[in-house]
Amino acid sequence: DSGVTQTPKHLITATGQRVTLRCSPRSGDLSVYWYQQSLDQGLQFLIQYYNGEERAKGNILERFSAQQFPDLHSELNLSSLELGDSALYFCASSARGQGGIETQYFGPGTRLLVL
Amino acid sequence: LAKTTQPISMDSYEGQEVNITCSHNNIATNDYITWYQQFPSQGPRFIIQGYKTKVTNEVASLFIPADRKSSTLSLPRVSLSDTAVYYCLVGAPYNNNDMRFGAGTRLTVKP
Repeated sequence: DSGVTQTPKHLITATGQRVTLRCSPRSGDLSVYWYQQSLDQGLQFLIQYYNGEERAKGNILERFSAQQFPDLHSELNLSSLELGDSALYFCASSARGQGGIETQYFGPGTRLLVL
Repeated sequence: LAKTTQPISMDSYEGQEVNITCSHNNIATNDYITWYQQFPSQGPRFIIQGYKTKVTNEVASLFIPADRKSSTLSLPRVSLSDTAVYYCLVGAPYNNNDMRFGAGTRLTVKP
């Protein structure tokens, strides 16, 4: 157990709909990352937040948005869903270890199926 | 941005030592090397991290040559449960914005 929680575990919805995925980081971690992983694909970095502020942006579609709240939990909003958005969505939080390098701790993921 | 290159896949047998090499030719002076392991339908899990020479922990060793343009993750005496995807990342302290997961190496351990 990494200490990162994600809800829901599974989500089935229809094209055109909007969903919200939630992530609670490990206690004390200020950074939250969101990743998308399609079937048999690598991890695609979407976006990173640090203490409530957007820190880095990856391959995130304009239909997707995220935010990190004062209590450090984060939400990923996916709108106008398409079949191709079906994927595993992972959240990770990070802590600085020796030398200041961040180690990411991943949650169990949310499996999204768009029908 | 330090790009990494790994073999797409590797096969091994139980009990063997497995070495997975990652190339990072344009690694910067401040960059560290980190390896993650991912099982199907699970999030990646941190394995090991290093800057130079050799690092060893309870699950793996990481070998980094003097020029740091590559690194090798060594898994001693693998078992079937080591079948997973292994990712190599490089990044600098306090500036991990450029750390990205590549395609990784899919290791299959056979009986």
